[in-house]
Amino acid sequence: NAGVTQTPKFRVLKTGQSMTLLCAQDMNHEYMYWYRQDPGMGLRLIHYSVGEGTTAKGEVPDGYNVSRLKKQNFLLGLESAAPSQTSVYFCASTGEFDYGYTFGSGTRLTVV
Amino acid sequence: GENVEQHPSTLSVQEGDSAVIKCTYSDSASNYFPWYKQELGKRPQLIIDIRSNVGEKKDQRIAVTLNKTAKHFSLHITETQPEDSAVYFCAASIRYTGTASKLTFGTGTRLQVTL
Repeated sequence: NAGVTQTPKFRVLKTGQSMTLLCAQDMNHEYMYWYRQDPGMGLRLIHYSVGEGTTAKGEVPDGYNVSRLKKQNFLLGLESAAPSQTSVYFCASTGEFDYGYTFGSGTRLTVV
Repeated sequence: GENVEQHPSTLSVQEGDSAVIKCTYSDSASNYFPWYKQELGKRPQLIIDIRSNVGEKKDQRIAVTLNKTAKHFSLHITETQPEDSAVYFCAASIRYTGTASKLTFGTGTRLQVTL
């Protein structure tokens, strides 16, 4: 039982490049979330999903896209990376009858 | 939407002393208030949570209190130890079974426990 797994753990991108962050959970959770964490700003919700095939915008969705084609996976895409997207990205999931989130280990992304 | 404010941003206490971190929220409909601890370079981990039908909850050296009228909640850590040093985040959400909970986080408190 791995919980929530994020790949990659680190990545450096050049401005304008694209990439996809993968989040996988093996707990059969319905709800999945992508947050970004920046110094002094806590964790801010980018996008979330309430089930397979569904996605919704969070607090800071601009510049990101997401997909949830399978219940266990939630992908976060950056089509054209910008230095402002330098951050640590956390995926989280929770079940229909759960309250707390289970977080992945994070992806540290640097855009130069 | 919900807005959560957290104070202080940094807190230094001596080992054995108590630490208190305070948060306020804006949405009176919020009913779920978790606290997360994040050690350096690690993922946030849930340490305690409280629901709006409860005023206080304790788990060994950790306690959380909730004042719904004033819309604030606090984390209390007693007999602090060096391993309590970390960043602590409060959060709030509207949570009902069968609906997604979108947690809004505070900006974090860096707690340092000195010997």
